[in-house]
Amino acid sequence: QSVLTQPPSVSGAPGQRVTISCTGSTSNIGAGYDVHWYQQLPGTAPKLLVYHNTNRPSGVPDRFSGSKSGTSASLAIIGLQAEDEADYYCQSYDGSLSIVFGGGTKLTVL
Amino acid sequence: EVQLVESGGGLVQPGTSLRLSCTASGFDFDDYAMHWVRQSPGKGLEWVSGISWNRGSEGYADSVKGRFTISRDSAKNSLYLQMNGLRAEDTAFYFCARRTLLGWFDSWGQGTLVAVSS
Repeated sequence: QSVLTQPPSVSGAPGQRVTISCTGSTSNIGAGYDVHWYQQLPGTAPKLLVYHNTNRPSGVPDRFSGSKSGTSASLAIIGLQAEDEADYYCQSYDGSLSIVFGGGTKLTVL
Repeated sequence: EVQLVESGGGLVQPGTSLRLSCTASGFDFDDYAMHWVRQSPGKGLEWVSGISWNRGSEGYADSVKGRFTISRDSAKNSLYLQMNGLRAEDTAFYFCARRTLLGWFDSWGQGTLVAVSS
């Protein structure tokens, strides 16, 4: 059971928009700790996708965007492409548990 | 180019020990906190342990506290994870990751597989 809750799976057709939620509590996201997102393509290491809630590292397309409100955060992907099919993880800090990850969300591009 | 290369994984029996290494290059190793994150096959990411840039502080997940020890060697640009009393549930890919001052992991190694089985 992960401290941060993500839907196990989401799906969308090419060109569509999908969102992935990351729900925490008052001891992590709600306490003001930042949320970061990672993309893990099959058989590879995780890659930083969004940091500090809303920022993208250089090289990450602007189709990816992050947001945060209250005890939750979201990752939105617009203009879905086949290459976006991957697992996505949110990460934050928990005052009692240190670094925490969400359980991960598998994105399927239909 | 930042590179993190893990090594030391393998198949071991329950109760035994293993030492993982992560060799860093392409950046000033002394400027960053370094961490280990693991992923059991088919499962999600789990933070394992981290060490500050100056070795002044260490942290461990409850699941490994008292069994695993993290360390770093600036002269060798290397991060280590000494794993004792290994259990079947420690079976996972172990990733070495660089953590920025503000909290995100901006570089990851390719991982090394630790399999604990009799």
